[in-house]
Amino acid sequence: SQQGEEDPQALSIQEGENATMNCSYKTSINNLQWYRQNSGRGLVHLILIRSNEREKHSGRLRVTLDTSKKSSSLLITASRAADTASYFCAPLGAQKLVFGQGTRLTINP
Amino acid sequence: DAGVIQSPRHEVTEMGQEVTLRCKPISGHDYLFWYRQTMMRGLELLIYFNNNVPIDDSGMPEDRFSAKMPNASFSTLKIQPSEPRDSAVYFCASSLQVEETQYFGPGTRLLVL
Repeated sequence: SQQGEEDPQALSIQEGENATMNCSYKTSINNLQWYRQNSGRGLVHLILIRSNEREKHSGRLRVTLDTSKKSSSLLITASRAADTASYFCAPLGAQKLVFGQGTRLTINP
Repeated sequence: DAGVIQSPRHEVTEMGQEVTLRCKPISGHDYLFWYRQTMMRGLELLIYFNNNVPIDDSGMPEDRFSAKMPNASFSTLKIQPSEPRDSAVYFCASSLQVEETQYFGPGTRLLVL
């Protein structure tokens, strides 16, 4: 399956701390995308990293990709209460994204 | 741009009734995707279109589900007849290219009683 599998399933940290979420997948990909979903809302695209890239930054977000290990990580630095959400990785292969179950991130004030 | 628009936002219906969900993609996007999200199964791709043509409908659960895209600015997902197990949030998304960022609508929360 191309499905991304996020780890951990749930993560609870204090505001200001960094949060790291991991994603593993099984087959070759063209790119890998990370999305955020706030409760009761649609998914919002965070970052896209292509298969020939190893690291990408966007504001407080840092994404890495290791195609040899078929894994990716999302780091959120200096977390805020507003970062509380579910985070999904979606590897792109065979022309479609397949979302995992997500990591539920809770930022405690 | 207004983003992806879905209607209705909420739908409550009784088992056996026909349900029609609607989506307006972002103008200029050639790809449109329908997803279903439940607690048990997560986010599943049902079908996607390229230039109004269905490309992959392998995720459509059964014949009770059908999707159409009569033009570049409108798509429907129909469930006939509906069943309680169809209760879920249905999302529509669009993108410029299949490998690029997908922009999601707010979803339609469907409850079949």
